[in-house]
Amino acid sequence: DVKVTQSSRYLVKRTGEKVFLECVQDMDHENMFWYRQDPGLGLRLIYFSYDVKMKEKGDIPEGYSVSREKKERFSLILESASTNQTSMYLCASSLEGVGEKLFFGSGTQLSVL
Amino acid sequence: EDKVVQSPLSLVVHEGDTVTLNCSYEVTNFRSLLWYKQEKKAPTFLFMLTSSGIEKKSGRLSSILDKKELSSILNITATQTGDSAIYLCAYGGGANSKLTFGKGITLSVRP
Repeated sequence: DVKVTQSSRYLVKRTGEKVFLECVQDMDHENMFWYRQDPGLGLRLIYFSYDVKMKEKGDIPEGYSVSREKKERFSLILESASTNQTSMYLCASSLEGVGEKLFFGSGTQLSVL
Repeated sequence: EDKVVQSPLSLVVHEGDTVTLNCSYEVTNFRSLLWYKQEKKAPTFLFMLTSSGIEKKSGRLSSILDKKELSSILNITATQTGDSAIYLCAYGGGANSKLTFGKGITLSVRP
């Protein structure tokens, strides 16, 4: 089975801190994604990547950046965390083109105080 | 703007009931429609429907795609408490070919 691993299940950070969320997949998938999930708003796409060193903005990229130096790893970076970035963050990967089946990690619940 | 609308937003039923969850989409370039189940952690894949596969079934769950009406339904028969979850609908295609999710339907199945 495909495994998508997110480094932390829960994180608590302070406003202004730089935050790194890490995601690793073990199935050689080309595509990787970062979503955030908020009650009443569903899943919203932050950034995605089709290949190493390649990134594309999703629907809500403001306040975030990403890094993909290796195929299996996709990092989400909050340069200066703010309270409105408190959320559940979900990483996902897929083998083929976007619009295909996604495999999700277990999520990171981030609280920014 | 492409969008996905799910209804109802929440639903409470009793074990043994049959439920129908709805998903409608307004898209510019339809490619696929996916259903996921999310319990406490990661969403898990249920079905993917495309132009070449408009009906899928797995045990008590089934899903149908109506391309004319731009909608899909997910049916669950003989519901169990383990079916309690958030059910997510997403479509693939459109601008940048990204997956666009609806807000999800929270299903609670009571004993």
